[in-house]
Amino acid sequence: KNEVEQSPQNLTAQEGEFITINCSYSVGISALHWLQQHPGGGIVSLFMLSSGKKKHGRLIATINIQEKHSSLHITASHPRDSAVYICAVPKYNQGGKLIFGQGTELSVKP
Amino acid sequence: DARVTQTPRHKVTEMGQEVTMRCQPILGHNTVFWYRQTMMQGLELLAYFRNRAPLDDSGMPKDRFSAEMPDATLATLKIQPSEPRDSAVYFCASGLNRDSLTGELFFGEGSRLTVL
Repeated sequence: KNEVEQSPQNLTAQEGEFITINCSYSVGISALHWLQQHPGGGIVSLFMLSSGKKKHGRLIATINIQEKHSSLHITASHPRDSAVYICAVPKYNQGGKLIFGQGTELSVKP
Repeated sequence: DARVTQTPRHKVTEMGQEVTMRCQPILGHNTVFWYRQTMMQGLELLAYFRNRAPLDDSGMPKDRFSAEMPDATLATLKIQPSEPRDSAVYFCASGLNRDSLTGELFFGEGSRLTVL
């Protein structure tokens, strides 16, 4: 079993739909990262959070440390949100070495 | 607009040639990572520096790969000799580490390497 599991692996949505991507982890962590990668593109850090909830535009990230679970929500999805979303956690006591989830490939259709 | 700069963006080379990739981290960041991304393996950590000292390079094939930080503004990843299986996108990322916790990471745009 991977230390960081994402679901779903693939997601197709219609423009305007509310989207949720989940991330579960089995290691002790200090914070969790959500990353976005567009096809053929670079990687952008969306959020780093250690508790509660963060919001940036139409993106919302939540984390429950006790349950070792985080979710990334996209409200009013748009085709430009089509990308791979990656959850990553630092290995406990290893400074900043990240363990990556396998990614969720999101496609938003117009 | 602070960002991580990587060069080259694209590199095509022949097997056996030396390849050097460069990364300029964001000024003030003390942590630098080199990652490799392939379709099969996803993102893999190759090397990790804090305050220019290598902390972890266990993910890197030692016989052909080497990573250095000659100064705080430059990190290099070298492959010698290169092999077709090294074809991948290589990402550099930097962050600020305090008390063993690294804050938000900033990624470069990647160097796409093709070894023929």
